[in-house]
Amino acid sequence: DGGITQSPKYLFRKEGQNVTLSCEQNLNHDAMYWYRQDPGQGLRLIYYSQIVNDFQKGDIAEGYSVSREKKESFPLTVTSAQKNPTAFYLCASSMLAGMGPGELFFGEGSRLTVL
Amino acid sequence: KQEVTQIPAALSVPEGENLVLNCSFTDSAIYNLQWFRQDPGKGLTSLLLIQSSQREQTSGRLNASLDKSSGRSTLYIAASQPGDSATYLCAVRSGSSNTGKLIFGQGTTLQVKP
Repeated sequence: DGGITQSPKYLFRKEGQNVTLSCEQNLNHDAMYWYRQDPGQGLRLIYYSQIVNDFQKGDIAEGYSVSREKKESFPLTVTSAQKNPTAFYLCASSMLAGMGPGELFFGEGSRLTVL
Repeated sequence: KQEVTQIPAALSVPEGENLVLNCSFTDSAIYNLQWFRQDPGKGLTSLLLIQSSQREQTSGRLNASLDKSSGRSTLYIAASQPGDSATYLCAVRSGSSNTGKLIFGQGTTLQVKP
């Protein structure tokens, strides 16, 4: 089945450690996105990529890094520089070809807890 | 700057009731608007997408409308069921293309009581 797979679903990290969240899609979508969701704050965009080997900062990129070496994959690294990393992280993707709707599809999320 | 607001933040209704969820946005220059459902601890599931040129979209018991001039969208749920209990989010894509920024509302948490 086509979809977006995020792993791990749950992750615990000690302060000072970097962690990488995986996001893989088999929808042949051009664009991929990382969002952070905190209670009472809605979804905030961390990074997005519209094409392989290119990505752009979103609203809250500080303390995060990404790569887009393959169309299917868009991993997110939460670095030790991120001051408050405990959150629910959501990966999404959309098709950008032509003037299509660019409907956004999401993975199941990864919950990161810093101990 | 586009802002998206969803009121109320929470709603509780008895099973079988028809209900309307509201989404308002401040800038009418949008490309499309998308409604999502989110169950606790899960990702978002796309429900309906309305292009800026459309007035409404329907899927089963769901009907979404769009009024760009007034900056409003509504999600109508007919004959609500306990399984409809979830958080519903709307997201507005600003600009004139599918690469525009997507702005999310904070959601309305719906509880349908048996």
